[in-house]
Amino acid sequence: NAGVTQTPKFQVLKTGQSMTLQCAQDMNHNSMYWYRQDPGMGLRLIYYSASEGTTDKGEVPNGYNVSRLNKREFSLRLESAAPSQTSVYFCASSWGPQPGDTQYFGPGTRLTVL
Amino acid sequence: AQTVTQSQPEMSVQEAETVTLSCTYDTSESDYYLFWYKQPPSRQMILVIRQEAYKQQNATENRFSVNFQKAAKSFSLKISDSQLGDAAMYFCASVAGTASKLTFGTGTRLQVTL
Repeated sequence: NAGVTQTPKFQVLKTGQSMTLQCAQDMNHNSMYWYRQDPGMGLRLIYYSASEGTTDKGEVPNGYNVSRLNKREFSLRLESAAPSQTSVYFCASSWGPQPGDTQYFGPGTRLTVL
Repeated sequence: AQTVTQSQPEMSVQEAETVTLSCTYDTSESDYYLFWYKQPPSRQMILVIRQEAYKQQNATENRFSVNFQKAAKSFSLKISDSQLGDAAMYFCASVAGTASKLTFGTGTRLQVTL
């Protein structure tokens, strides 16, 4: 039981390049989330998927797109990376979208955009 | 909108002593949940403790307990018998409304000394 896994763990991009961050969970959770963590700040929600087939914007969605590929997988895409997107990205999942459902986090991806 | 404030950027505690981390929050919702997450150097976000706002009893998990003061919108974390493994960043978070979108504070870095 791996929980929430993320690939890659580290990535360096040049400005304007694109890439996709992958996330998968094996807990049969319905809801999945993408957060970013910047120095001196807490995590901020980028996008979330309450259930398979649905996605919604979070607090900081600009410059990102997401795909809920199936129940297990939720990917985050940067179409044209910018230095402001240098951050640590976390994927999380929960049983449902209810406020009381505990979110379980992946190990994070450290992304640097030069 | 929700806000979560952690006013202590850093705290230090001696091994085996007790330390309290502060957190205040603001929400207009009557139904909400509060969480403390631990982030060790490995970056993994680990749930420490969870509190339902409608429960008056303070949550406890082994050496970790909270002091939930609903009227004051305060949610502090007490760590008893501190251990070296408790050294980490601690984030307070809240969620309210109909969706499980966490709002995080800026974190408190806890050092544990011998």
